[in-house]
Amino acid sequence: EPEVTQTPSHQVTQMGQEVILRCVPISNHLYFYWYRQILGQKVEFLVSFYNNEISEKSEIFDDQFSVERPDGSNFTLKIRSTKLEDSAMYFCASSDRGLGNQPQHFGDGTRLSIL
Amino acid sequence: AQSVTQPDIHITVSEGASLELRCNYSYGATPYLFWYVQSPGQGLQLLLKYFSGDTLVQGIKGFEAEFKRSQSSFNLRKPSVHWSDAAEYFCAVVRNYGGSQGNLIFGKGTKLSVKP
Repeated sequence: EPEVTQTPSHQVTQMGQEVILRCVPISNHLYFYWYRQILGQKVEFLVSFYNNEISEKSEIFDDQFSVERPDGSNFTLKIRSTKLEDSAMYFCASSDRGLGNQPQHFGDGTRLSIL
Repeated sequence: AQSVTQPDIHITVSEGASLELRCNYSYGATPYLFWYVQSPGQGLQLLLKYFSGDTLVQGIKGFEAEFKRSQSSFNLRKPSVHWSDAAEYFCAVVRNYGGSQGNLIFGKGTKLSVKP
């Protein structure tokens, strides 16, 4: 069964540094998402992406965050200047249709630790 | 605003016993509902989904869930729990408003422990 893959599985970064989290969505999917889960808290939506542009973002997704689909397979989340509170598990998801009537398939996540 | 409530933070059941995990949602129209499972160190795996039609939906690993509009609930059930079912379970609803691309609102999760 096709999978969403995320790299790295664990990223440790100094506060203030830039970090890029990478995702390879399922190949025929068109809608891409990033979520995060701070330890002990619920999974929260960050951003959705379709047709090479952001279609929706949450209030968490401020100017420090950006997303990109640099080629036909990768989908990246960049945090420009990391803060301690960015420490979390970040999940990428993809779906072949938006509007929620097809399920989102999640990767195994990247655990981001900010020191 | 839409929300999902999972009232039980942690549940422990004996292996072979039945299981019901509760989920309540707030949304006026018929929601799109999901249950995901997260094993330690793993991502979120879809167990089952409800969009419309039959209110009892079957999922993977022997799980089922029943949509009850009158109670705004979508409880997850399994008749006989296996030790490998120990994990965290998340209920989610699709956020529905004009222009939404279907992002998910999750509950806080219920951690399931299984006693031998």
